[in-house]
Amino acid sequence: QKEVEQNSGPLSVPEGAIASLNCTYSDRGSQSFFWYRQYSGKSPELIMSIYSNGDKEDGRFTAQLNKASQYVSLLIRDSQPSDSATYLCAVIVAYSGAGSYQLTFGKGTKLSVIP
Amino acid sequence: NAGVTQTPKFQVLKTGQSMTLQCAQDMNHNSMYWYRQDPGMGLRLIYYSASEGTTDKGEVPNGYNVSRLNKREFSLRLESAAPSQTSVYFCASSESRDRVTEAFFGQGTRLTVV
Repeated sequence: QKEVEQNSGPLSVPEGAIASLNCTYSDRGSQSFFWYRQYSGKSPELIMSIYSNGDKEDGRFTAQLNKASQYVSLLIRDSQPSDSATYLCAVIVAYSGAGSYQLTFGKGTKLSVIP
Repeated sequence: NAGVTQTPKFQVLKTGQSMTLQCAQDMNHNSMYWYRQDPGMGLRLIYYSASEGTTDKGEVPNGYNVSRLNKREFSLRLESAAPSQTSVYFCASSESRDRVTEAFFGQGTRLTVV
């Protein structure tokens, strides 16, 4: 079974610190990677997408991808209490057949930012 | 811009009853998905549709059926509801031409089977 693994947490960081969230995946053929944020009782919302090795920055968020190590991470700089949520890593897992694939999620890491 | 719209938002069923969860997207996306989310289990894929007219099983398809009615609509049916199907259900859609892009989610349906 093709898997996406995350530490469930909770991860607690003080306000203003850097939060580091990690994700590993098993399918070497994966090409598309996403980080979602989900507040309690709400639907997931996209924070970052990354398709190539290296870093991608968007405001306080940086996604890092290392395909050789099958590792994707999300850094949140200057963490705020409003960042407290569950962060979901998602990976496109390809199956045989044209256009056959699945968007597979990890179980999520719960982040708490302490004022 | 409605995005992805799911109905209903809440539902209580008795064991053995049937129901259909409706999902529609207005972003002209090819791919649509149904997930369920249970505490500690993350999002698990029930069924997906890579394009109009095609559907495929995901990780947890048992007890469910789907219909990709047209490019906009993707419905999920529970033929005989069981308490184990108590969950929050999310519909999502994404583009998948040059490459698969991010999925956008509906607001969810909270289903309780008693």
